[in-house]
Amino acid sequence: QQPVQSPQAVILREGEDAVINCSSSKALYSVHWYRQKHGEAPVFLMILLKGGEQKGHEKISASFNEKKQQSSLYLTASQLSYSGTYFCGTDLTGFQKLVFGTGTRLLVSP
Amino acid sequence: EAQVTQNPRYLITVTGKKLTVTCSQNMNHEYMSWYRQDPGLGLRQIYYSMNVEVTDKGDVPEGYKVSRKEKRNFPLILESPSPNQTSLYFCASRSPGGKENEQFFGPGTRLTVL
Repeated sequence: QQPVQSPQAVILREGEDAVINCSSSKALYSVHWYRQKHGEAPVFLMILLKGGEQKGHEKISASFNEKKQQSSLYLTASQLSYSGTYFCGTDLTGFQKLVFGTGTRLLVSP
Repeated sequence: EAQVTQNPRYLITVTGKKLTVTCSQNMNHEYMSWYRQDPGLGLRQIYYSMNVEVTDKGDVPEGYKVSRKEKRNFPLILESPSPNQTSLYFCASRSPGGKENEQFFGPGTRLTVL
């Protein structure tokens, strides 16, 4: 079951914040976040395990609401380098069968 | 340098001509998988492998085969390619479990089937 990402696209000015959501209809073991720039391979951002943890790296953080089976990715004070397509991948069992959402395209303009 | 390599990077072929896309990783990862990426559909898993000689279907396995005879290699085989298999393919690898075990993706193979 493919997770649902929202919004499908976001346009920001440099310095603005954004939130990308990822929802599943099934109970999740973990959620993975990746960013892909045009013509390149996806690059890992972070993993969140069930338990409702929140983690982050510099100005990009994420949370996982186990009750809602939803994860949110927070991009604070966006930079031009944040532009790309963001994918969440969900794992139901812990056996690494990742199912990815259709992606959220983020464009940060000067 | 830790990496996943794929070959070829670009391939144009004709319907029915068998082809193999190779994938190799140098990180001693147990877990490897193949994805295809199509506009508007995101990344869809074709096959995955938990370890040598252990493979399982992903969400879109029809028309594909894989093998895992060595830990580092995970080739994708299209026995009789068709135009609907025109896509961008990614191989990926990871060590199972753990919070910090990221999945590494190869650079991608762009396949066109005429």
